Amino acid sequence: QQQVKQSPQSLIVQKGGISIINCAYENTAFDYFPWYQQFPGKGPALLIAIRPDVSEKKEGRFTISFNKSAKQFSLHIMDSQPGDSATYFCAATPSLVPHGSGNTGKLIFGQGTTLQVKP
Amino acid sequence: DAGVIQSPRHEVTEMGQEVTLRCKPISGHNSLFWYRQTMMRGLELLIYFNNNVPIDDSGMPEDRFSAKMPNASFSTLKIQPSEPRDSAVYFCASSSGQGRMNTEAFFGQGTRLTVV
Repeated sequence: QQQVKQSPQSLIVQKGGISIINCAYENTAFDYFPWYQQFPGKGPALLIAIRPDVSEKKEGRFTISFNKSAKQFSLHIMDSQPGDSATYFCAATPSLVPHGSGNTGKLIFGQGTTLQVKP
Repeated sequence: DAGVIQSPRHEVTEMGQEVTLRCKPISGHNSLFWYRQTMMRGLELLIYFNNNVPIDDSGMPEDRFSAKMPNASFSTLKIQPSEPRDSAVYFCASSSGQGRMNTEAFFGQGTRLTVV
């Protein structure tokens, strides 16, 4: 069962455009939602992350929008650059019980989105 | 810090052989994770340890797979006997731990395993 669903599978954007990747989750026990970026031949690396008590987080050109009621979150890359071409994974981390005592640290990944930014 | 170190980077083995993948986590991190990446299944968690103790091994595909963490600075993932469907990239990751609110996982470069 895919607990985190990601779309689209691939995305082509012109340089300077906005890239948008969407994710949806089912488990309400998730309490940490990171995005990872992976370049060919490398391991995934944390890009940006959000907790469910915040609706938006921005770091430079990267923004996460989070809709807790809809159980959806998305990554927006503004002014996309060729160097952003990579595979992006959304993820979710289950919380420990009782809630508020932290999380497990394990990552449940979406299927990934391959982004190509054309010059 | 050198980051998470995995060895070997590439492994080609024949079906039926034993394969051992190795991982050195970042010093001071007390959680360690083994993930497998394939085109079909994406990134999936196999097992994770906290303070050298296996916490969740529900992702280990079958008894042919085993993982150990004898100390805080070393872990192994063993496949015996290996099969062609085990071909994948295996990642090790470490973090500063379970129980914290925002735990970034740092990934190694991965081991690309090919079973022929």
